[in-house]
Amino acid sequence: SSEVTQDPAVSVALGQTVRITCQGDNLRRYFASWYQQKARQGPVLVMFGGDNRPSGIPDRFSGSSSENTASLTITGAQAEDEADYFCMSRDSDGNRLVFGGGTKVTVL
Amino acid sequence: EVQLVESGGGLVKPGGSLRLSCDASHFTFSAYDMNWVRQAPGKGLEWVSSISKFGTYIYYADSVKGRFTISRDNAKNSLFLQMNSLRADDTAVYYCAREFYYGPGSYAFDSWGRGTQVTVSS
Repeated sequence: SSEVTQDPAVSVALGQTVRITCQGDNLRRYFASWYQQKARQGPVLVMFGGDNRPSGIPDRFSGSSSENTASLTITGAQAEDEADYFCMSRDSDGNRLVFGGGTKVTVL
Repeated sequence: EVQLVESGGGLVKPGGSLRLSCDASHFTFSAYDMNWVRQAPGKGLEWVSSISKFGTYIYYADSVKGRFTISRDNAKNSLFLQMNSLRADDTAVYYCAREFYYGPGSYAFDSWGRGTQVTVSS
C-alpha cells in the first residue's frame, strides 16, 4: 500500500509563516486533506481538495498541491495554531485511506 | 450541526471482543460513507475501516482485517465496529468520521466524533 510522509516537527515564530508538507506517490492521483489536532481534542478538517478551506477555518490557512507533494501553509501563525497536523489521502488502489505520521507545529 | 457520538469502549482482556457504536444526527446519514479512525496513545491517526452509504463496499486496514467488522444501520442512523481477537496494540481512541466526496480525487473527513477509549490489557 502507498504511504504519505510528513516531517515530524516544525517551529514558527509568532506571526511568521510555516509550511507543512506531505509526500507520496498517490498524491499524484488524489488530493490530500489536512487535519488539525490540538492537545486532548479530536481532529478538525482544515483543508481539502488542495486549497479549499471549510467554513470557520481562518484564511491564514492555505493549501497547495504539486506532483507528489501537498502543502499546508499558515501565514501569520497564531498561538492557537500550535497543534499536530495530519495529511490524509487515498491509497494507490483508491479503496483505503492513509494518514501521514503528523507534523507537530510549535509556535514560539 | 452534525453530531457523531461514539460509545462502547472500555477495558477488555487480550483475545476479547468489543462492539463500538457511533450515533449520527443532524444530517442524512444514508447519504454518506462512514469511517473508523483510531489513535494509539502518543501516536498518530490510523484509518481502520470504511463502509459505503448502503454497506455495499467495505474496506479494512491490514492491521484489523479478519478481526474487525464494520456495519451500519441507516434506519437508526448508527455505525458499528465489531472488534474481535483484540490485542494490546489495538489500544487506542476510536473515532467515527463522516466522509465527504467533493470532486474527482477529492475526499475528506469533514465531521468527527469525540472518540471512545478502547484499552486491551490483562
